[in-house]
Amino acid sequence: KAGVTQTPRYLIKTRGQQVTLSCSPISGHRSVSWYQQTPGQGLQFLFEYFSETQRNKGNFPGRFSGRQFSNSRSEMNVSTLELGDSALYLCASSHGTEENRLFFGSGTQLSVL
Amino acid sequence: DAKTTQPTSMDCAEGRAANLPCNHSTISGNEYVYWYRQIHSQGPQYIIHGLKNNETNEMASLIITEDRKSSTLILPHATLRDTAVYYCIVRGGGSNYKLTFGKGTLLTVNP
Repeated sequence: KAGVTQTPRYLIKTRGQQVTLSCSPISGHRSVSWYQQTPGQGLQFLFEYFSETQRNKGNFPGRFSGRQFSNSRSEMNVSTLELGDSALYLCASSHGTEENRLFFGSGTQLSVL
Repeated sequence: DAKTTQPTSMDCAEGRAANLPCNHSTISGNEYVYWYRQIHSQGPQYIIHGLKNNETNEMASLIITEDRKSSTLILPHATLRDTAVYYCIVRGGGSNYKLTFGKGTLLTVNP
């Protein structure tokens, strides 16, 4: 069974640009969550989608947005990039039921110059 | 979700058991204890979770105290590949699937 796939693996952008990251969950999983990881703040929850609906949201500005498609694939978008947005962005999928564990992808390393 | 407290770092000799403690004194009755680990530059990996009873799987054992205020993750025979940051997370049930990661414990397995 294929794992969670995130593309691209590495990305370099400049301040003010926008970026779109992609995540393909494990087949059959309907929930996709996104996390940001930085050396200073650690792993922080961005948002979670289930059956194309945002179900939970973290404390990030509106520049961070996401969506989920009918095939459960998800994208997250960051607009007007800031230097502080440089981070490892991790996607995780699960069945979405109460006790379910998350399966993480390897992440997209975003560098904002 | 309840807050967890873990030691910043621990060392373990290869082949010996690694016992990683976690304090979650404010845990509620419906909150699960999850353990994940993250090897450098990779996404976190699920290890084990439990509610009240002790749990064991092919990777580790989870011992939860009777009052549920603390737990211990046990890696029975640590290898060099077990060197990682280990996160203890308490998560409520229901439709809140957000995981709140703390700083975790850096476990270093030495040859």
